[in-house]
Amino acid sequence: GEDVEQSLFLSVREGDSSVINCTYTDSSSTYLYWYKQEPGAGLQLLTYIFSNMDMKQDQRLTVLLNKKDKHLSLRIADTQTGDSAIYFCADKDDYKLSFGAGTTVTVRA
Amino acid sequence: DTEVTQTPKHLVMGMTNKKSLKCEQHMGHRAMYWYKQKAKKPPELMFVYSYEKLSINESVPSRFSPECPNSSLLNLHLHALQPEDSALYLCASSQLAGTGYTGELFFGEGSRLTVL
Repeated sequence: GEDVEQSLFLSVREGDSSVINCTYTDSSSTYLYWYKQEPGAGLQLLTYIFSNMDMKQDQRLTVLLNKKDKHLSLRIADTQTGDSAIYFCADKDDYKLSFGAGTTVTVRA
Repeated sequence: DTEVTQTPKHLVMGMTNKKSLKCEQHMGHRAMYWYKQKAKKPPELMFVYSYEKLSINESVPSRFSPECPNSSLLNLHLHALQPEDSALYLCASSQLAGTGYTGELFFGEGSRLTVL
């Protein structure tokens, strides 16, 4: 697998926007993904972006991809308490999905 | 149906026991995966099956034995495990390349294993 790095913690006030950042090294990645994991649960696919896209918006989620800098970000608008979770970015190399370390997002009232 | 179902949700076993984890999907996916996840860490790939054949083994110890009886089922047989094998074991499935392929993996809720 390839290296995927992301910041470990983010604290955000309810109603504000959250931005989670990720960098990856595999320039051949076709798709990049964001997964959410709530405590004690499995991984839920939030969204993905095709590598020839710069941006993808899906309701409160906006994914930005800077392929030149190999930088991926996930913006969550109007963050709610239910958004508290660990967020993993991931890229795919053939069959292997390589995850970043995960960003723990804590939403405070 | 976009679910991957894993059983049991929780399992406690001794180091001499033999047990199995089970995974089922009915999305018609022909790739299935086992991942191991320790607390506060990302999932680590263990095995990949494509078209019911083992295609990737990430140097997993032989005390873990995967089996894919058919395209919907994936098992992980456990024998003589160690306490450090305690973890959340996640099953996932995905399409293989073809029309509409986007490569995402669909994960189950996991089986939390404790080895005493």
